[in-house]
Amino acid sequence: RKEVEQDPGPFNVPEGATVAFNCTYSNSASQSFFWYRQDCRKEPKLLMSVYSSGNEDGRFTAQLNRASQYISLLIRDSKLSDSATYLCVVSKDQTGANNLFFGTGTRLTVIP
Amino acid sequence: ETGVTQTPRHLVMGMTNKKSLKCEQHLGHNAMYWYKQSAKKPLELMFVYNFKEQTENNSVPSRFSPECPNSSHLFLHLHTLQPEDSALYLCASSHTGGGDEQYFGPGTRLTVT
Repeated sequence: RKEVEQDPGPFNVPEGATVAFNCTYSNSASQSFFWYRQDCRKEPKLLMSVYSSGNEDGRFTAQLNRASQYISLLIRDSKLSDSATYLCVVSKDQTGANNLFFGTGTRLTVIP
Repeated sequence: ETGVTQTPRHLVMGMTNKKSLKCEQHLGHNAMYWYKQSAKKPLELMFVYNFKEQTENNSVPSRFSPECPNSSHLFLHLHTLQPEDSALYLCASSHTGGGDEQYFGPGTRLTVT
Protein backbone atom coordinates (compact mmCIF):
# COMPACT_ATOMS: atom_id res chain seq x y z
CA ARG A 1 0.00 0.00 0.00
CA LYS A 2 1.28 3.46 -0.89
CA GLU A 3 2.12 5.83 1.95
CA VAL A 4 -0.11 8.52 0.47
CA GLU A 5 -2.83 8.05 -2.12
CA GLN A 6 -4.59 10.70 -4.13
CA ASP A 7 -6.98 10.68 -7.05
CA PRO A 8 -4.78 11.96 -9.90
CA GLY A 9 -7.73 13.65 -11.61
CA PRO A 10 -7.78 15.68 -13.73
CA PHE A 11 -10.48 17.81 -12.21
CA ASN A 12 -11.80 20.34 -14.71
CA VAL A 13 -14.06 22.91 -13.07
CA PRO A 14 -15.52 26.26 -14.17
CA GLU A 15 -14.43 29.50 -12.54
CA GLY A 16 -16.31 30.12 -9.35
CA ALA A 17 -16.93 26.45 -8.62
CA THR A 18 -16.13 24.69 -5.38
CA VAL A 19 -13.88 21.68 -5.64
CA ALA A 20 -12.67 19.19 -3.04
CA PHE A 21 -9.74 16.78 -3.03
CA ASN A 22 -9.24 13.89 -0.69
CA CYS A 23 -6.12 12.03 0.23
CA THR A 24 -5.60 8.90 2.33
CA TYR A 25 -2.49 7.91 4.23
CA SER A 26 -1.38 4.54 5.51
CA ASN A 27 0.64 5.30 8.66
CA SER A 28 -1.57 5.98 11.65
CA ALA A 29 1.46 7.37 13.52
CA SER A 30 1.90 10.29 11.12
CA GLN A 31 1.79 13.62 12.87
CA SER A 32 2.30 16.36 10.29
CA PHE A 33 0.14 16.98 7.27
CA PHE A 34 0.38 19.50 4.47
CA TRP A 35 -1.01 20.48 1.12
CA TYR A 36 1.48 21.67 -1.47
CA ARG A 37 0.78 23.19 -4.84
CA GLN A 38 2.94 22.49 -7.88
CA ASP A 39 2.62 24.42 -11.11
CA CYS A 40 3.74 22.86 -14.38
CA ARG A 41 7.54 22.51 -14.50
CA LYS A 42 7.94 24.35 -11.20
CA GLU A 43 8.82 23.29 -7.69
CA PRO A 44 6.22 22.34 -5.08
CA LYS A 45 5.19 25.22 -2.83
CA LEU A 46 3.59 24.95 0.57
CA LEU A 47 -0.08 25.83 0.37
CA MET A 48 -1.08 25.14 3.95
CA SER A 49 -0.49 22.92 6.91
CA VAL A 50 -3.38 20.75 8.06
CA TYR A 51 -4.31 20.80 11.72
CA SER A 52 -6.43 18.36 13.67
CA SER A 53 -9.12 20.95 14.23
CA GLY A 54 -9.23 21.89 10.57
CA ASN A 55 -8.04 25.21 9.27
CA GLU A 56 -8.95 27.80 6.70
CA ASP A 57 -6.92 30.25 4.68
CA GLY A 58 -9.06 32.47 2.53
CA ARG A 59 -10.80 30.31 -0.05
CA PHE A 60 -8.94 27.19 1.06
CA THR A 61 -10.06 24.85 3.84
CA ALA A 62 -8.12 21.82 4.99
CA GLN A 63 -9.45 19.06 7.22
CA LEU A 64 -7.92 16.03 8.86
CA ASN A 65 -9.75 12.87 9.87
CA ARG A 66 -7.35 10.77 11.91
CA ALA A 67 -9.81 7.95 12.51
CA SER A 68 -10.24 7.37 8.80
CA GLN A 69 -6.73 8.54 7.92
CA TYR A 70 -7.70 11.03 5.28
CA ILE A 71 -7.06 14.66 4.57
CA SER A 72 -9.16 16.96 2.45
CA LEU A 73 -8.69 20.27 0.69
CA LEU A 74 -11.65 22.41 -0.29
CA ILE A 75 -11.27 25.30 -2.71
CA ARG A 76 -14.16 27.75 -2.93
CA ASP A 77 -14.78 30.27 -5.71
CA SER A 78 -12.13 28.74 -7.96
CA LYS A 79 -9.90 31.11 -9.90
CA LEU A 80 -8.03 30.46 -13.12
CA SER A 81 -4.83 30.87 -11.12
CA ASP A 82 -5.78 27.88 -8.97
CA SER A 83 -4.97 25.58 -11.90
CA ALA A 84 -2.10 23.41 -10.67
CA THR A 85 -1.32 20.02 -9.20
CA TYR A 86 -2.11 19.68 -5.51
CA LEU A 87 0.13 17.40 -3.49
CA CYS A 88 -0.93 15.75 -0.28
CA VAL A 89 2.02 15.40 2.11
CA VAL A 90 2.29 13.35 5.28
CA SER A 91 5.11 12.97 7.76
CA LYS A 92 6.69 9.61 8.33
CA ASP A 93 5.77 9.04 11.95
CA GLN A 94 5.69 10.52 15.39
CA THR A 95 9.38 10.14 16.16
CA GLY A 96 10.20 13.35 14.38
CA ALA A 97 12.03 11.62 11.58
CA ASN A 98 12.89 13.72 8.64
CA ASN A 99 10.76 12.17 6.02
CA LEU A 100 7.75 13.62 4.38
CA PHE A 101 5.83 11.41 1.99
CA PHE A 102 4.37 13.09 -1.06
CA GLY A 103 1.36 11.90 -3.00
CA THR A 104 1.44 11.85 -6.78
CA GLY A 105 -0.84 14.88 -6.84
CA THR A 106 -4.29 15.82 -8.07
CA ARG A 107 -4.40 17.89 -11.22
CA LEU A 108 -6.87 20.80 -11.22
CA THR A 109 -7.78 22.89 -14.24
CA VAL A 110 -10.09 25.85 -13.76
CA ILE A 111 -11.87 26.72 -16.99
CA PRO A 112 -13.01 30.24 -17.93
CA GLU B 1 11.57 34.08 -4.11
CA THR B 2 15.19 33.26 -3.30
CA GLY B 3 14.84 31.21 -0.12
CA VAL B 4 16.31 28.12 -1.77
CA THR B 5 18.36 28.41 -4.92
CA GLN B 6 19.63 25.71 -7.23
CA THR B 7 22.13 25.72 -10.06
CA PRO B 8 22.19 24.86 -12.84
CA ARG B 9 18.51 25.01 -13.75
CA HIS B 10 19.01 22.75 -16.74
CA LEU B 11 21.72 20.19 -17.42
CA VAL B 12 22.36 17.82 -20.28
CA MET B 13 25.11 15.32 -19.73
CA GLY B 14 26.44 12.20 -21.32
CA MET B 15 26.68 8.93 -19.46
CA THR B 16 30.43 9.27 -18.98
CA ASN B 17 30.37 12.86 -17.69
CA LYS B 18 30.83 14.08 -14.15
CA LYS B 19 28.78 17.03 -13.02
CA SER B 20 27.54 18.56 -9.77
CA LEU B 21 24.28 20.14 -8.74
CA LYS B 22 24.36 22.91 -6.18
CA CYS B 23 21.77 24.03 -3.67
CA GLU B 24 21.88 26.92 -1.24
CA GLN B 25 19.29 27.92 1.33
CA HIS B 26 19.00 31.40 2.84
CA LEU B 27 16.35 30.53 5.43
CA GLY B 28 18.54 29.63 8.39
CA HIS B 29 17.32 26.04 8.26
CA ASN B 30 19.20 23.06 9.64
CA ALA B 31 17.95 20.25 7.43
CA MET B 32 18.41 19.87 3.70
CA TYR B 33 17.10 17.28 1.25
CA TRP B 34 17.55 15.98 -2.28
CA TYR B 35 14.51 14.65 -4.13
CA LYS B 36 14.05 13.17 -7.57
CA GLN B 37 10.83 13.83 -9.47
CA SER B 38 10.10 11.74 -12.55
CA ALA B 39 7.01 12.03 -14.70
CA LYS B 40 3.88 10.41 -13.23
CA LYS B 41 5.69 9.47 -10.01
CA PRO B 42 5.62 11.01 -6.55
CA LEU B 43 8.66 12.83 -5.27
CA GLU B 44 11.32 10.33 -4.29
CA LEU B 45 13.44 11.25 -1.30
CA MET B 46 17.11 10.60 -2.01
CA PHE B 47 19.17 12.07 0.83
CA VAL B 48 18.64 13.96 4.06
CA TYR B 49 21.14 16.05 5.97
CA ASN B 50 20.45 17.35 9.44
CA PHE B 51 22.99 19.77 10.91
CA LYS B 52 25.41 18.75 8.11
CA GLU B 53 25.17 15.06 9.00
CA GLN B 54 23.63 12.63 6.56
CA THR B 55 20.69 11.00 8.29
CA GLU B 56 19.04 9.28 5.36
CA ASN B 57 20.20 7.57 2.20
CA ASN B 58 17.14 6.15 0.56
CA SER B 59 18.87 3.28 -1.28
CA VAL B 60 20.25 5.66 -3.86
CA PRO B 61 22.79 4.25 -6.36
CA SER B 62 26.38 5.23 -5.70
CA ARG B 63 26.53 7.17 -8.98
CA PHE B 64 24.80 9.89 -6.93
CA SER B 65 27.04 11.29 -4.22
CA PRO B 66 25.84 14.05 -1.89
CA GLU B 67 27.96 16.53 -0.02
CA CYS B 68 26.92 18.97 2.68
CA PRO B 69 29.79 21.26 3.74
CA ASN B 70 27.55 23.37 6.00
CA SER B 71 23.90 23.83 6.88
CA SER B 72 23.35 26.26 4.01
CA HIS B 73 24.88 24.34 1.12
CA LEU B 74 24.17 20.99 -0.43
CA PHE B 75 25.69 19.37 -3.48
CA LEU B 76 24.82 16.34 -5.54
CA HIS B 77 27.75 14.93 -7.48
CA LEU B 78 26.83 12.92 -10.53
CA HIS B 79 28.93 10.41 -12.44
CA THR B 80 28.27 7.64 -14.98
CA LEU B 81 24.55 8.29 -14.95
CA GLN B 82 21.98 6.32 -16.93
CA PRO B 83 19.26 7.70 -19.21
CA GLU B 84 16.64 6.65 -16.63
CA ASP B 85 18.22 9.14 -14.23
CA SER B 86 16.80 11.96 -16.35
CA ALA B 87 14.40 13.81 -14.06
CA LEU B 88 13.83 16.99 -12.09
CA TYR B 89 16.14 17.09 -9.07
CA LEU B 90 14.75 19.18 -6.26
CA CYS B 91 16.53 20.48 -3.21
CA ALA B 92 14.54 21.40 -0.11
CA SER B 93 15.23 22.66 3.37
CA SER B 94 13.37 22.73 6.66
CA HIS B 95 13.92 24.26 10.06
CA THR B 96 14.66 20.89 11.61
CA GLY B 97 14.34 17.35 10.42
CA GLY B 98 11.29 16.62 12.54
CA GLY B 99 8.55 16.51 9.95
CA ASP B 100 8.52 20.29 9.49
CA GLU B 101 7.24 21.84 6.30
CA GLN B 102 9.88 21.88 3.61
CA TYR B 103 10.72 24.65 1.19
CA PHE B 104 11.89 23.75 -2.27
CA GLY B 105 14.32 25.22 -4.73
CA PRO B 106 13.34 25.58 -8.40
CA GLY B 107 15.03 22.32 -9.32
CA THR B 108 17.54 21.18 -11.89
CA ARG B 109 16.08 19.50 -14.94
CA LEU B 110 18.59 16.83 -15.85
CA THR B 111 18.75 15.00 -19.13
CA VAL B 112 21.17 12.12 -19.52
CA THR B 113 21.98 11.25 -23.12
